[in-house]
Amino acid sequence: NFMLTQPHSVSASPGKTVTISCTGSSGSIASNYVQWYQQRPGSAPTTVIYEDNQRPSGVPYRFSGSIDSSSNSASLTISGLKTEDEADYYCQSYDSSTVVFGGGTKLTVL
Amino acid sequence: QLLLQESGPGLVKPSETLSLICTVSGGSISSSIYYWGWIRQPPGKGLEWIGSIYNSGSTYYNPSLKSQVTIAVDTSKNQFSLKLISVTAADTAVYYCATLIAQQLVELWGQGTLVTVSS
Repeated sequence: NFMLTQPHSVSASPGKTVTISCTGSSGSIASNYVQWYQQRPGSAPTTVIYEDNQRPSGVPYRFSGSIDSSSNSASLTISGLKTEDEADYYCQSYDSSTVVFGGGTKLTVL
Repeated sequence: QLLLQESGPGLVKPSETLSLICTVSGGSISSSIYYWGWIRQPPGKGLEWIGSIYNSGSTYYNPSLKSQVTIAVDTSKNQFSLKLISVTAADTAVYYCATLIAQQLVELWGQGTLVTVSS
């Protein structure tokens, strides 16, 4: 079964840049799109990146996504960190008719 | 604007069936654009896709839950449903209904409903 692995937690200071990785367990992560969802406590997730690197309307340019085929991983980069970015972030992709989520990464903005 | 709202019992006894409804407003559940899905999140844990259905009736289930799950559409009520049989405490979670694009990405989430499995 295809799996996505994320770091449990990351932290950075306001104004800095942080990158969250999402590594595919097999095959090529570039074969299917990767999405990133932000979830604040007590709320449903919202999309911050879809189709590897596309930002939905209303998501700041500070959020960007990329794919690195050499490491079979996707990354979410948030620049100019703000305290409001503190949340859980989940990557998600698709394999053999199943939707797969990463385990989630807790971002702390110190 | 499409909106999704989950409804159903907040407490289910072990070994019984968990049943939830998602009511779609602002659009038709017969739309060919969307797949309709269920995703759950145990307290303090990550997201788990349960399954999805397309308006043709085609269903897609998480292999780890396939033997327990049924997802169906009721076009007359503009709703879709989730049934999970033989539940245990491990099925305690916030259950979200959602729309998926091309069965590949989640576009819209309901607000979620907490279901606790306990006697």
